[in-house]
Amino acid sequence: DTEVTQTPKHLVMGMTNKKSLKCEQHMGHRAMYWYKQKAKKPPELMFVYSYEKLSINESVPSRFSPECPNSSLLNLHLHALQPEDSALYLCASSPVTQETQYFGPGTRLLVL
Amino acid sequence: RKEVEQDPGPFNVPEGATVAFNCTYSNSASQSFFWYRQDCRKEPKLLMSVYSSGNEDGRFTAQLNRASQYISLLIRDSKLSDSATYLCVVNDYGQNFVFGPGTRLSVLP
Repeated sequence: DTEVTQTPKHLVMGMTNKKSLKCEQHMGHRAMYWYKQKAKKPPELMFVYSYEKLSINESVPSRFSPECPNSSLLNLHLHALQPEDSALYLCASSPVTQETQYFGPGTRLLVL
Repeated sequence: RKEVEQDPGPFNVPEGATVAFNCTYSNSASQSFFWYRQDCRKEPKLLMSVYSSGNEDGRFTAQLNRASQYISLLIRDSKLSDSATYLCVVNDYGQNFVFGPGTRLSVLP
């Protein structure tokens, strides 16, 4: 099973809302990632968790807050987002960092 | 200079054609290399890893040239279903994945 699942598929939120994106994998991978992808651009790395510890934060604004409750789950908490944060948010996992990454289907976020 | 560069295309080719993409990377310490494909409004999916000796998977052949710091992808006998964006990905030790901007391929009937 090489599946990474993400919920919700779509999300519309106002700038004052608080919401969370969820990602799950059951492949026993110990590295998980959040990416942001705008239209016609490649994915941009946001956060990396390795063995449930945050190892990379690519200077992401604090209105994005990641959380890794256990080795299978990764959350991204959203608060006070801006319209320019509208994008496809992709979760990925890999056995350990630097190995092949497998992507979930993404959450398409629209901030109004 | 960008870390990973690709010709954005689009490459418009007829069915059955052979098409090749190149990708250059700037960090000579890069450790591993991949090609991903991404369909419109979908997630990237691994197409193949790229090994130093070159590797082939059916109609797809990937090559790595460390001296010149580029990788290539050759697609033979193109199918309509090959239409997608092809992302070159370079894994720099300690820096995780760095994506190229992608090359768009359209295979025409």
